[in-house]
Amino acid sequence: KNEVEQSPQNLTAQEGEFITINCSYSVGISALHWLQQHPGGGIVSLFMLSSGKKKHGRLIATINIQEKHSSLHITASHPRDSAVYICAVWSITGNQFYFGTGTSLTVIP
Amino acid sequence: EAEVAQSPRYKITEKSQAVAFWCDPISGHATLYWYRQILGQGPELLVQFQDESVVDDSQLPKDRFSAERLKGVDSTLKIQPAELGDSAMYLCASSWLAGSYNEQFFGPGTRLTVL
Repeated sequence: KNEVEQSPQNLTAQEGEFITINCSYSVGISALHWLQQHPGGGIVSLFMLSSGKKKHGRLIATINIQEKHSSLHITASHPRDSAVYICAVWSITGNQFYFGTGTSLTVIP
Repeated sequence: EAEVAQSPRYKITEKSQAVAFWCDPISGHATLYWYRQILGQGPELLVQFQDESVVDDSQLPKDRFSAERLKGVDSTLKIQPAELGDSAMYLCASSWLAGSYNEQFFGPGTRLTVL
């Protein structure tokens, strides 16, 4: 049983397309994180959300606490956005992070 | 810019051998995490330290894995003996404090291949 589910698992887009990655979770959380992992392994934190919406450049993250769902949007996608995007939640009961399996994004020029 | 350092970046070993990974967190970060990431999956917490104390090692296979953070700064994760199923990326992360509102900073990881 996965506490965090992401969709799609794999995504290929043409440069310039609007991209959405979804995350659903089943535990009570206090915060949700979106992470980016490039080939080679390094992970970078993109957003930390507990409510509403955040925007950074071409990236937008939203969360609906009632529906236990978050989305990561990329506007005007670019090949350098190609990476694995991981959703992680902090469980208030388990007092730990639970990670999704990631969405592998490839943006084609 | 401060970063989490890990070494080695890559390690190839034969099963039954011992391996060790090192992590140096960002200066001042009290909380240090070791994660294992199997290809195609998300990271899985192995052990969490608060300063030099283990906070959570419930997912650490203690028959073969050990971790220490003796002075509350850098940390070592050891596997002895390594098994084929241990092949994975081992990620270290640190944060000021534990908890959801403290951003975790990840190191580049150590990719382990067990032959």
